[in-house]
Amino acid sequence: DARVTQTPRHKVTEMGQEVTMRCQPILGHNTVFWYRQTMMQGLELLAYFRNRAPLDDSGMPKDRFSAEMPDATLATLKIQPSEPRDSAVYFCASGGTSGGTGELFFGEGSRLTVL
Amino acid sequence: AQSVTQLGSHVSVSEGALVLLRCNYSSSVPPYLFWYVQYPNQGLQLLLKYTSAATLVKGINGFEAEFKKSETSFHLTKPSAHMSDAAEYFCAVSDRASGTYKYIFGTGTRLKVLA
Repeated sequence: DARVTQTPRHKVTEMGQEVTMRCQPILGHNTVFWYRQTMMQGLELLAYFRNRAPLDDSGMPKDRFSAEMPDATLATLKIQPSEPRDSAVYFCASGGTSGGTGELFFGEGSRLTVL
Repeated sequence: AQSVTQLGSHVSVSEGALVLLRCNYSSSVPPYLFWYVQYPNQGLQLLLKYTSAATLVKGINGFEAEFKKSETSFHLTKPSAHMSDAAEYFCAVSDRASGTYKYIFGTGTRLKVLA
């Protein structure tokens, strides 16, 4: 049963610490998205990769956030330094087409709490 | 830029009653539209999608949506609500106008089903 896998599922950290979230997209999918979900802002697109190349990261705070795909089986989202306002659920999603018609498959999310 | 607007952040219906969740889109090109559902502590799952074929789209769990260009709407309906339909529902558009095909989500509508 193919699925998107995210780690960690839960993370509690102190302000100023580095946080790295990882995502394993479904094998063969060529698009990967990072979203952040909060009660106030809903689902915000942070970064978007196609064939491992970043296509859009305009929604991501550049000074502290970075997203990469070191290889086709791993996407990472890093926050350094973390702040309390970064507390949210971070979702990774992958898709099998680049034409915008396909289904996105979501992971179960990484719930981050920054104290 | 393409966008979607969901009217009503919370909707309550009685079990067995009609479910109607509203979504309006803004797009300079024919849109690709989606409805996703999110159950507590889970990622999003695709309910149905419109990609310029039939304007009435049927999805899983008895849901359907009708694309109305004249009204720029893509409302989600289900004839008879079930307790298991209680969840948060997101309308989304794939950004064809920019050529990135990034998926942009609405703010969500939380559906409550009353016994």
